[in-house]
Amino acid sequence: EVQLVESGGGLVKPGRSLRLSCAASGFTFDDYAMHWVRQAPGKGLEWVSGISWNSGGIVYGDSVKGRFTISRDNAQNSLHLRMDSLRPEDTALYYCVKGSGGSSTNWGFDYWGPGILVTVS
Amino acid sequence: QAVLTQPSSLSASPGASASLTCTLRSGINVGTHKIHWYQKKPGSPPRFLLRYKSDLDNQQGSGVPSRFSGSRDGSANAGILLISGLQSEDEADYYCMIWHNSAWVFGGGTKLTVL
Repeated sequence: EVQLVESGGGLVKPGRSLRLSCAASGFTFDDYAMHWVRQAPGKGLEWVSGISWNSGGIVYGDSVKGRFTISRDNAQNSLHLRMDSLRPEDTALYYCVKGSGGSSTNWGFDYWGPGILVTVS
Repeated sequence: QAVLTQPSSLSASPGASASLTCTLRSGINVGTHKIHWYQKKPGSPPRFLLRYKSDLDNQQGSGVPSRFSGSRDGSANAGILLISGLQSEDEADYYCMIWHNSAWVFGGGTKLTVL
């Protein structure tokens, strides 16, 4: 059974940094791309960033480009998101999401973690 | 104009069918994109339903009933999620998504009410 568990969220002041992590299990982690998707309160889904199976393909949404950094540790089956220069508009529930293939730019997503709340205020 | 446009809400009766549309912005051809569909219920993470490009290129999510199906309307430049035999548990928000201009883009979502 695929399991994705996010951690590291919380309340942070504008301009500060936060690092999210995601522990993955139940599948061969280093075969698949991974992504972060967020949902602000009362809003729709917004893709944040994606990373290919071998970290060779990394992509970001325009709203976080230059401020957020995605990374993965295939030995530890973990995904990370370093968030710098946080803004109030970054307040959202952040989901760790499994890609349906190895590329971050193809295939889309299938399994989602329960999400972790980040509040910037 | 948004890349993907979805109606904000839709109502249908139990047992009926619901057709949820996802219209691509002019200049973005539905025939060359896979449309991905997700279901989101309050308090739960999104669930992958299916992806559809053509009748020969589509994939159902694991455990997703066959009453959820995808199609496209080339004349309307839209992807379609068809839900047949509506059940109360289908009441949720539904999002479409495509890969466009080096980014994954979601539509604004359709709130489906089953009443």
